[in-house]
Amino acid sequence: AQSVTQLDSQVPVFEEAPVELRCNYSSSVSVYLFWYVQYPNQGLQLLLKYLSGSTLVKGINGFEAEFNKSQTSFHLRKPSVHISDTAEYFCAVSPTKAAGNKLTFGGGTRVLVKP
Amino acid sequence: DAGVTQSPTHLIKTRGQQVTLRCSPKSGHDTVSWYQQALGQGPQFIFQYYEEEERQRGNFPDRFSGHQFPNYSSELNVNALLLGDSALYLCASSLLWLAGGINEQFFGPGTRLTVL
Repeated sequence: AQSVTQLDSQVPVFEEAPVELRCNYSSSVSVYLFWYVQYPNQGLQLLLKYLSGSTLVKGINGFEAEFNKSQTSFHLRKPSVHISDTAEYFCAVSPTKAAGNKLTFGGGTRVLVKP
Repeated sequence: DAGVTQSPTHLIKTRGQQVTLRCSPKSGHDTVSWYQQALGQGPQFIFQYYEEEERQRGNFPDRFSGHQFPNYSSELNVNALLLGDSALYLCASSLLWLAGGINEQFFGPGTRLTVL
């Protein structure tokens, strides 16, 4: 079984400031890792994913994340946020050696970008 | 490409009633997964359909059932509704992949169910 913990439920940040969203996971098997964004009244959109290889992953909209296997973490960062980044962000994992795409999500981090 | 579509957008039901939610997958996708997102929480996996069969199931009671049609569209049925079933129900589509592969899941906008 897998579990995902997002350590911050809300993160207020000023426009053009950097932001980091923390994600830790627990799993008895190897997993793929994902970050999704959910804008108000919309579904989830994939920001980035880690499958294998380089531990630094770049995604859309200037976001990047770093996989740390020893700390079982997958923190998301953006060097300079915009008002339009106000949204809820979800970290998720999926087992690598299982058919299907079952995702286990964390509880989410709400990012509020202030002018 | 219309992406994943869901209907209805909103729904209000009373306790004990039954509800059916519908999902049309992204063009070319053959696998549909359903998730429940309670207010202020992350989505939770309900089940996944491929080739008209339930392939995986999360920790949800039998009151939650589904169906997939030959055109890959899917329905989620919930019987004997409880107040706790109030949530956003998300549908996601993808191509089924075997162990070792990965295909992105595309999510629809969701159906917001309110149980009174």
